[in-house]
Amino acid sequence: AQKITQTQPGMFVQEKEAVTLDCTYDTSDQSYGLFWYKQPSSGEMIFLIYQGSYDEQNATEGRYSLNFQKARKSANLVISASQLGDSAMYFCAMRERAGNQFYFGTGTSLTVIP
Amino acid sequence: DAGITQSPRHKVTETGTPVTLRCHQTENHRYMYWYRQDPGHGLRLIHYSYGVKDTDKGEVSDGYSVSRSKTEDFLLTLESATSSQTSVYFCAIRSGHSPEQYFGPGTRLTVT
Repeated sequence: AQKITQTQPGMFVQEKEAVTLDCTYDTSDQSYGLFWYKQPSSGEMIFLIYQGSYDEQNATEGRYSLNFQKARKSANLVISASQLGDSAMYFCAMRERAGNQFYFGTGTSLTVIP
Repeated sequence: DAGITQSPRHKVTETGTPVTLRCHQTENHRYMYWYRQDPGHGLRLIHYSYGVKDTDKGEVSDGYSVSRSKTEDFLLTLESATSSQTSVYFCAIRSGHSPEQYFGPGTRLTVT
């Protein structure tokens, strides 16, 4: 079974609007971490945001926030006030605390329209 | 930016030849990882290391071996390259004190 599922291969958003990128995960562990990474067309992988399974507040980093719904096993990324530079691939990932491995989703391609 | 370099950045090689990719870090981080990225698959873990001489397999380890003789270097070897190993390879590092990984710039490998 897939550990991380990203069901939106491609998304479009108008500049200055907010957008939500979906991520669901599968684990039986109680302790785990969830991550989002950005990959622009230049190819590098950029760490955006982290959420621990025991964190009570949703994580935020500037215009990025992680909408963590533990019962639904979802960890959606919300980008507010989209900018043209946000156009990129976005990957959701998880690490179970008991292990060292990270599991990545297949990614969502976001295009910001001027 | 985390101090991670990968070499070479691009390589074209022939089927059946051995290939070694190098990941070098200046952060003294404990954990190092090798991934491959292919369209439709995201990033898949090949091998990782949790210390000098301590390594373990990931989900797509067949055909690959690794070595870590120094904290700063993690080598990925394709003993006999195949066309299915054409991919972009990323190295990543993680300290024992933070949850996130930081990635190197990637190596584009083409096996003809």
